[in-house]
Amino acid sequence: ETGVTQSPTHLIKTRGQQVTLRCSSQSGHNTVSWYQQALGQGPQFIFQYYREEENGRGNFPPRFSGLQFPNYSSELNVNALELDDSALYLCASSLYGVEVETQYFGPGTRLLVL
Amino acid sequence: QKEVEQDPGPLSVPEGAIVSLNCTYSNSAFQYFMWYRQYSRKGPELLMYTYSSGNKEDGRFTAQVDKSSKYISLFIRDSQPSDSATYLCAMSKFPPWGAQKLVFGQGTRLTINP
Repeated sequence: ETGVTQSPTHLIKTRGQQVTLRCSSQSGHNTVSWYQQALGQGPQFIFQYYREEENGRGNFPPRFSGLQFPNYSSELNVNALELDDSALYLCASSLYGVEVETQYFGPGTRLLVL
Repeated sequence: QKEVEQDPGPLSVPEGAIVSLNCTYSNSAFQYFMWYRQYSRKGPELLMYTYSSGNKEDGRFTAQVDKSSKYISLFIRDSQPSDSATYLCAMSKFPPWGAQKLVFGQGTRLTINP
C-alpha cells in the first residue's frame, strides 16, 4: 500500500449533479495530481496541486476543479456531470523538489454517472 | 494521433513464458519513462523507472528505452500467474519531483496461465 487514501471508494450520481472526491496524500508529500481513467483506457492527467495552487492542467473543461488544503490533502470537484465522466478517478502524491522515482497512486474512486 | 500508443492486447501466455510489452511515442520531449502494474480495482503501482536510453534490470523485469526510435519495452522473464494484471507505460517531460504530468498508454491486459 502507498499510503495515499481516497474517498469514497464508489459513487453513483445522475447527469447534471455535482460530485466531490477526496484524497489524502502520503505522509510528507506536498504535491497531489489527479487522473481520470475510463474503462479500458490509461489514466489521463486532470491537474496537479502544489502548495495549494494549481500547478498544471490537462485537457479538461473548467467544470473540473480542485483544491489543496494546508495539510496537502486535496479535493476534486466536478460540476454538471455528464455520462462520459463515468470513470476511475485516481490521485497521486509526490514530494516536489526531492528526488523520488514516482508519484504514488491511491486506489481510486469509481464514479458512475447515470 | 495519441502521444503514446500501446497495444491493448489482451495477451495470454503460459506460466514461465517471456513476455514483451511495448509502447511507442511521438513527443521527443519525453525524458522519463515508467512502467506501472495495475491489478483490478487498484491504483497503478510503479514497476520500473528509467531516465536514459538503454536497459534497466530489476529481478525478472527488464525495461528498455530507445529514444532514437521513440520506443520503450518491458520484458518479464519466468512469468508467474501473479503477474496477471494490466501493464501501463507512462512518460513525462518532467521528473516526479517536479511538475510531472504523466502521459499513459492505453494499457495491456496480461494473463499468465498456470
